[in-house]
Amino acid sequence: SQTIHQWPATLVQPVGSPLSLECTVEGTSNPNLYWYRQAAGRGLQLLFYSVGIGQISSEVPQNLSASRPQDRQFILSSKKLLLSDSGFYLCAWNRFFDEQYFGPGTRLTVT
Amino acid sequence: SQQGEEDPQALSIQEGENATMNCSYKTSINNLQWYRQNSGRGLVHLILIRSNEREKHSGRLRVTLDTSKKSSSLLITASRAADTASYFCATDSGAGSYQLTFGKGTKLSVIP
Repeated sequence: SQTIHQWPATLVQPVGSPLSLECTVEGTSNPNLYWYRQAAGRGLQLLFYSVGIGQISSEVPQNLSASRPQDRQFILSSKKLLLSDSGFYLCAWNRFFDEQYFGPGTRLTVT
Repeated sequence: SQQGEEDPQALSIQEGENATMNCSYKTSINNLQWYRQNSGRGLVHLILIRSNEREKHSGRLRVTLDTSKKSSSLLITASRAADTASYFCATDSGAGSYQLTFGKGTKLSVIP
């Protein structure tokens, strides 16, 4: 069966520090991968998606970047965090553009 | 931009009652999905209904879709305390789009 992992689960970082969040999927190959951010009490905002290694599409201009160094690994990064980067970050995957399967999320607080 | 909008924003019911949540969207879709999110957790897919379907059932869940009104409803029958969560609709606009657009969700509280 397929499993999606995210780490860390929680993170507190000062403004201006770098960020690296990792997501890995097990039990499938060539998944579509997604990064979302959820602000408190809000819906999900799609940040990036990837349909293959090295293929990244950005949905909104921002302080973040994404990379896909391996088929089942998706990384969200920032060189310098802003206060507005605080939120709940969710990674998701699917194969055929129907239902998506979400990871447990990372709670990021920028102080 | 926000595609799906859930209504109501919050709903509180007694255990055993039915819960109905609504979702409206703006543009044509390939499919509409409903997800559940327990507090501080990831989303869990509940049900997907395609644009050529009008109603779909899964256990205690019933989803309807009215493409002429650009709206969907999620009915949870015989609610349980464990159904307490936020519920989101998400739309896939198709045409090769990889993007699911989520609403802001309905927060359901089921009181034992």
